Amino acid sequence: EDQVTQSPEALRLQEGESSSLNCSYTVSGLRGLFWYRQDPGKGPEFLFTLYSAGEEKEKERLKATLTKKESFLHITAPKPEDSATYLCAVQAVEYGNKLVFGAGTILRVKS
Amino acid sequence: DGGITQSPKYLFRKEGQNVTLSCEQNLNHDAMYWYRQDPGQGLRLIYYSQIVNDFQKGDIAEGYSVSREKKESFPLTVTSAQKNPTAFYLCATTRTTGLIYEQYFGPGTRLTVT
Repeated sequence: EDQVTQSPEALRLQEGESSSLNCSYTVSGLRGLFWYRQDPGKGPEFLFTLYSAGEEKEKERLKATLTKKESFLHITAPKPEDSATYLCAVQAVEYGNKLVFGAGTILRVKS
Repeated sequence: DGGITQSPKYLFRKEGQNVTLSCEQNLNHDAMYWYRQDPGQGLRLIYYSQIVNDFQKGDIAEGYSVSREKKESFPLTVTSAQKNPTAFYLCATTRTTGLIYEQYFGPGTRLTVT
């Protein structure tokens, strides 16, 4: 059973059409949930870490939220340059200092 | 210029040859990690090291080896025993300050074995 599941696998939006990406997890003892942006052929770029349920963080058009079972990455009025793969990862007590990654959501924003 | 450097960006090898991927960091982070990324899959951990001269196997260590002789360097060797070595390889470091934990990635090396 996957510990971290991201949905949808792919998402196509029109420029300005707001939406959300989901990351659900089944680990126990969550220590942190991480969001990354990855452009094709490049390493993931760190976006946010969320540590406890109810926490929210924002960066430009992105806002990440966390509950006890899932996290959402809200994208407000996206632009074509927001097109990328968004990765979610969790750190949990059972994994020590290792992160467990989801498979990612491929976002395409068309102008 | 601070950060994580991986070289080369692209690497081509013949089947049966060992190949070493470089990872260097000047962030003064203690922990370093190697991941493998395949299309449609999440990042999978190969090896990690939390201090110099010590490292642990990740989830898919078979066919790989590492060393950590210096804090700044964590090279990964892909041996001929690795059955499917063609992939995108990512090196990462971790900043841990109190309760803060952040993992940063290098630009990656794409290895193609034919």
